[in-house]
Amino acid sequence: SQQGEEDPQALSIQEGENATMNCSYKTSINNLQWYRQNSGRGLVHLILIRSNEREKHSGRLRVTLDTSKKSSSLLITASRAADTASYFCATDGSGGGADGLTFGKGTHLIIQP
Amino acid sequence: NAGVTQTPKFQVLKTGQSMTLQCAQDMNHEYMSWYRQDPGMGLRLIHYSVGAGITDQGEVPNGYNVSRSTTEDFPLRLLSAAPSQTSVYFCASSYHYGLTEAFFGQGTRLTVV
Repeated sequence: SQQGEEDPQALSIQEGENATMNCSYKTSINNLQWYRQNSGRGLVHLILIRSNEREKHSGRLRVTLDTSKKSSSLLITASRAADTASYFCATDGSGGGADGLTFGKGTHLIIQP
Repeated sequence: NAGVTQTPKFQVLKTGQSMTLQCAQDMNHEYMSWYRQDPGMGLRLIHYSVGAGITDQGEVPNGYNVSRSTTEDFPLRLLSAAPSQTSVYFCASSYHYGLTEAFFGQGTRLTVV
């Protein structure tokens, strides 16, 4: 079953604007990851935030994590046309099992030139 | 460094046929997994392996078999293809399950007619 759910499902903004995507999950986690998928390609890892971290930055990306609300957000600043892609959050369970990452359904981001 | 290599990229099967999707990684990762991606469903885990000789079922294992005879290779076998197995299949590997980033192959687009 889906652990993470991204919101919104689709987002269209103008180039140069900031894009914010949200992810909610259901159970306790060790960490939360964000991935990008360009059309017809595999997923590419963007950033990993551990459950004891509240915020993390990588270039134009800013990720926050609120474990009390079981939610995370991904902010892309100064968007570019090349940021057009689908973005997925992925969680691993903290139950100790090795059953990998559980992905949400993704946010499809379109950057209008 | 090739990363994760999947073959073939595209495949059309007739109902009832069998085939093997190949996955190889050259990063010496212990953890490998197979996902399927369907429209509106995100990625769902089929099978995973925490090391050579060890495999286990994920969320949607029915109709698929895996084996892990070497660290590098993790093939996925469709025993008797069904139209419901039409999907895009992704292989992924990581140094440690859930705690580190996953590297994805480019995917295999499978159509069962």
